[in-house]
Amino acid sequence: DSGVTQTPKHLITATGQRVTLRCSPRSGDLSVYWYQQSLDQGLQFLIQYYNGEERAKGNILERFSAQQFPDLHSELNLSSLELGDSALYFCASSPELAGATDTQYFGPGTRLTVL
Amino acid sequence: AQRVTQPEKLLSVFKGAPVELKCNYSYSGSPELFWYVQYSRQRLQLLLRHISRESIKGFTADLNKGETSFHLKKPFAQEEDSAMYYCALGTQGGKLIFGQGTELSVKP
Repeated sequence: DSGVTQTPKHLITATGQRVTLRCSPRSGDLSVYWYQQSLDQGLQFLIQYYNGEERAKGNILERFSAQQFPDLHSELNLSSLELGDSALYFCASSPELAGATDTQYFGPGTRLTVL
Repeated sequence: AQRVTQPEKLLSVFKGAPVELKCNYSYSGSPELFWYVQYSRQRLQLLLRHISRESIKGFTADLNKGETSFHLKKPFAQEEDSAMYYCALGTQGGKLIFGQGTELSVKP
């Protein structure tokens, strides 16, 4: 078990709605990363936080936002949901920033289905 | 441009046969490369990383900077190796760029 936890495991919602995905990193890890895995786009980096601050942005839509709290857990907010947002959303954590050599440990993912 | 290419979407082999999953990358800096494995769309698990030069579950991968490749190899495939394999490039700042993945199917 990598220690990264994500809730909920599954989420089914309707178009136009807003959802919040939660991630708790491994104990001691300061960096949190969010990735989206979809059948057509594969695994794509969305955003990274380090110790509460946004550090890098990838292909994240403006309808999506994230934050990292003082206790280091992170939330990914998805709003005005569209059918195409249906995907598996992974959170990963690593010990520290800027180490391209840092291994990222992944959570089990949240499967989002937009109907 | 930073890019990872896994040319094979599906690789099917028989148990006991050698396996090679291809990965090519494009990166202007000094690359950090990883192989992750995903069983039945569960969490991604690190299989190996090039700087550690270790062998996990019989898999090895060698970084070839001249050919910009990081192919994953195993001499004798096992049925339990069936999974999705992702090659990933670690960039400055830490984000990972993933290839499209190769599904390995090991038949009995």
